[in-house]
Amino acid sequence: ETGVTQTPRHLVMGMTNKKSLKCEQHLGHNAMYWYKQSAKKPLELMFVYSLEERVENNSVPSRFSPECPNSSHLFLHLHTLQPEDSALYLCASSQDDGRGIGGYTFGSGTRLTVV
Amino acid sequence: AQSVAQPEDQVNVAEGNPLTVKCTYSVSGNPYLFWYVQYPNRGLQFLLKYITGDNLVKGSYGFEAEFNKSQTSFHLKKPSALVSDSALYFCAVRDTTGGFKTIFGAGTRLFVKA
Repeated sequence: ETGVTQTPRHLVMGMTNKKSLKCEQHLGHNAMYWYKQSAKKPLELMFVYSLEERVENNSVPSRFSPECPNSSHLFLHLHTLQPEDSALYLCASSQDDGRGIGGYTFGSGTRLTVV
Repeated sequence: AQSVAQPEDQVNVAEGNPLTVKCTYSVSGNPYLFWYVQYPNRGLQFLLKYITGDNLVKGSYGFEAEFNKSQTSFHLKKPSALVSDSALYFCAVRDTTGGFKTIFGAGTRLFVKA
């Protein structure tokens, strides 16, 4: 384990469902991130939390809703998704102010399929 | 605006030979540069970074990268490739002028043949 744990590893959901992705880091880091990885596309930054405060929202549709209740946990709430939202969703953490200078530690990701 | 390019979708190399994975970047200020590796069904793993100082940076698993400011490049290198190095490699850049975005390249798949 890398110190960042994501659950579930795989998720299949219908377009009308509501689900949540969970991320937990055991590294004492103070910044957490959600990235989207689609086939043959660069990683897309979705959200950045520093000290539990959202500091970046990279023009993400409102059907994705993040939550950071404390510095160790990060959630991504999903509702009324579209098939094009199918991707690998990666959580990462770092020890800095959210700028990632120290380098990120990534989780293994949640493979999401929207049907 | 900052950007990063990995011009090769795939690099093939024989085991024991040196390998190079290319990366070029564009930022308005000084760059912070990173390399990450992704194995199948796993998240990205940090390999190395350049923040300041010596242009040759050494990282995990015998990898190194050379920062070249005039060519705006940060190529990843290894003197002798292993089959187990086969993976997807990502270059990333962050502009020091501010903001929270680290931009990742599209990735280069490295195949090392035995």
